[in-house]
Amino acid sequence: AQSVTQLDSQVPVFEEAPVELRCNYSSSVSVYLFWYVQYPNQGLQLLLKYLSGSTLVESINGFEAEFNKSQTSFHLRKPSVHISDTAEYFCAVTRTGGGNKLTFGTGTQLKVEL
Amino acid sequence: DVKVTQSSRYLVKRTGEKVFLECVQDMDHENMFWYRQDPGLGLRLIYFSYDVKMKEKGDIPEGYSVSREKKERFSLILESASTNQTSMYLCASHVSGTPNTEAFFGQGTRLTVV
Repeated sequence: AQSVTQLDSQVPVFEEAPVELRCNYSSSVSVYLFWYVQYPNQGLQLLLKYLSGSTLVESINGFEAEFNKSQTSFHLRKPSVHISDTAEYFCAVTRTGGGNKLTFGTGTQLKVEL
Repeated sequence: DVKVTQSSRYLVKRTGEKVFLECVQDMDHENMFWYRQDPGLGLRLIYFSYDVKMKEKGDIPEGYSVSREKKERFSLILESASTNQTSMYLCASHVSGTPNTEAFFGQGTRLTVV
């Protein structure tokens, strides 16, 4: 079985400041890693994913996440946030070996303030 | 544009009522999922379906059942609604056998049981 831990339930940050949202996972098998974002009153949408290869992955809107196998982490970062980044962010994992069941973390609410 | 559509954004039901939540996807996906989203608990899997008429329990199936009579439609049924089932319900769909690809989510149904 897999599990995902997002230790920070809320992260307030001022606009243009950097931010890091933490994600740690536990699994006895190899996994794919995802970050999903949920904007207010909307469903979830994929932000970025790590499958293999380069441990640093990027999204089109400036977020990046780094896979660290030894620390079993997949932290999400952005060097300069915008008001429009206010949302809830979910880290998720799924087994590489088949089946599409995602295991989600508890989410981190990012609130960007002026 | 791909779509997962949930029939209601908001529902208010009385305790003991039988409640149907409907989800339709237009992507010809084999896999469909129902999640429940609660503050501080993230997304928890209720049921999923790998194909028509096939279903499997997720992590919190108690008090729920599902129906998948057609590929594009996956219904969640609350047999006898209770106040502890007040929550946000999210439907998702996914291409079969591709855990490295994106899951698509509906906008959610916020159910209140009074």
